[in-house]
Amino acid sequence: SQTIHQWPATLVQPVGSPLSLECTVEGTSNPNLYWYRQAAGRGLQLLFYSVGIGQISSEVPQNLSASRPQDRQFILSSKKLLLSDSGFYLCAWKQGGISTFGSGTRLTVV
Amino acid sequence: GQNIDQPTEMTATEGAIVQINCTYQTSGFNGLFWYQQHAGEAPTFLSYNVLDGLEEKGRFSSFLSRSKGYSYLLLKELQMKDSASYLCAVRRDSGGYQKVTFGTGTKLQVIP
Repeated sequence: SQTIHQWPATLVQPVGSPLSLECTVEGTSNPNLYWYRQAAGRGLQLLFYSVGIGQISSEVPQNLSASRPQDRQFILSSKKLLLSDSGFYLCAWKQGGISTFGSGTRLTVV
Repeated sequence: GQNIDQPTEMTATEGAIVQINCTYQTSGFNGLFWYQQHAGEAPTFLSYNVLDGLEEKGRFSSFLSRSKGYSYLLLKELQMKDSASYLCAVRRDSGGYQKVTFGTGTKLQVIP
């Protein structure tokens, strides 16, 4: 069966510090992978998606970047965090249009 | 662009029925999803409608009218554990790629 792992679950980082969130998928090959951010009252916002190794598409301009070094690994990064980067970050993979989400990372930038 | 509207909050009584509406405006429509999200957790898939009509799955049903740009999620025999946010999401074709956009969610509180 397919599973998706995301870590860490919570993170508190100071403004200006770097960020690295990791997501891995098991039980499937060549998955379409996604990073979403959910801020209070704003719903799920698609940040990046990837259809394969090294292939990244950005949906909105921002302070974040994504990379896909391996087929089943998707990484969300930032060189310098802003206060506005706080939120609930969700990794997801999609099959048949249906999204399966990781458990999420609650990021608080202080 | 696209626009998805759903009520921000709703309250219903345990054992009752509640209907959560979602209206949308989009080009290239290719299906509508409902997800359930408990506080602090990730969303989980509930239903998918691409054709007009009602899809029933246990206590949950989802309805779609493509011509009206309207969907609803119907929850019957409400239980306390149904307290959660319910996200409406619209799928559309965009340049050969299928994009899914989520609404802001409806926070449902079930009271005794």
